Amino acid sequence: DQQVKQNSPSLSVQEGRISILNCDYTNSMFDYFLWYKKYPAEGPTFLISISSIKDKNEDGRFTVFLNKSAKHLSLHIVPSQPGDSAVYFCAASEGVNFGNEKLTFGTGTRLTIIP
Amino acid sequence: EPEVTQTPSHQVTQMGQEVILRCVPISNHLYFYWYRQILGQKVEFLVSFYNNEISEKSEIFDDQFSVERPDGSNFTLKIRSTKLEDSAMYFCASSEIRGVDTQYFGPGTRLTVL
Repeated sequence: DQQVKQNSPSLSVQEGRISILNCDYTNSMFDYFLWYKKYPAEGPTFLISISSIKDKNEDGRFTVFLNKSAKHLSLHIVPSQPGDSAVYFCAASEGVNFGNEKLTFGTGTRLTIIP
Repeated sequence: EPEVTQTPSHQVTQMGQEVILRCVPISNHLYFYWYRQILGQKVEFLVSFYNNEISEKSEIFDDQFSVERPDGSNFTLKIRSTKLEDSAMYFCASSEIRGVDTQYFGPGTRLTVL
């Protein structure tokens, strides 16, 4: 049951360039999407989110794009910095406006920023 | 900055034994969660807890699992009779208000069932 898929297990990007992490989903009921960042020996840390009523949300170097028709979202990091090296998880929730708390995660993409 | 803490960081147990994983949520948080991640797989929701009751649980959270807030600070996950497939990283999370993007995660407890 892979409702949220991250098809790239790893990605390497040169420092200063743009990192693009992709995520696809299959459940049409998802209405809220999130990206988490995880360092080794730590729990996931919330990074940025987007509601299904928007197609873009920006926070500093991080921008999330949502394409509902394609059931696809992406996280752009620009410029990439060495501290961005981590595992990035895409997650989704349905019925967030009704207080739904369950997150469905993807399998993660390991981002490595090359100095 | 306040953080969620979990103990132990690594727990090794024999199949069939009971384990209790402990979490100390952030002090003013009211909503508590457990997730798990089997090695190489995705993070999976187990249960959410509010006002001393389970508010939502997944199909993974069967009768072998229970959660408790035994005092004002701890939040525990008990697995009554562990199976090999329970080996995973277990993450506790807490939030001040109800919602998915307000959940703060702990560092996790790695459970190894032999």
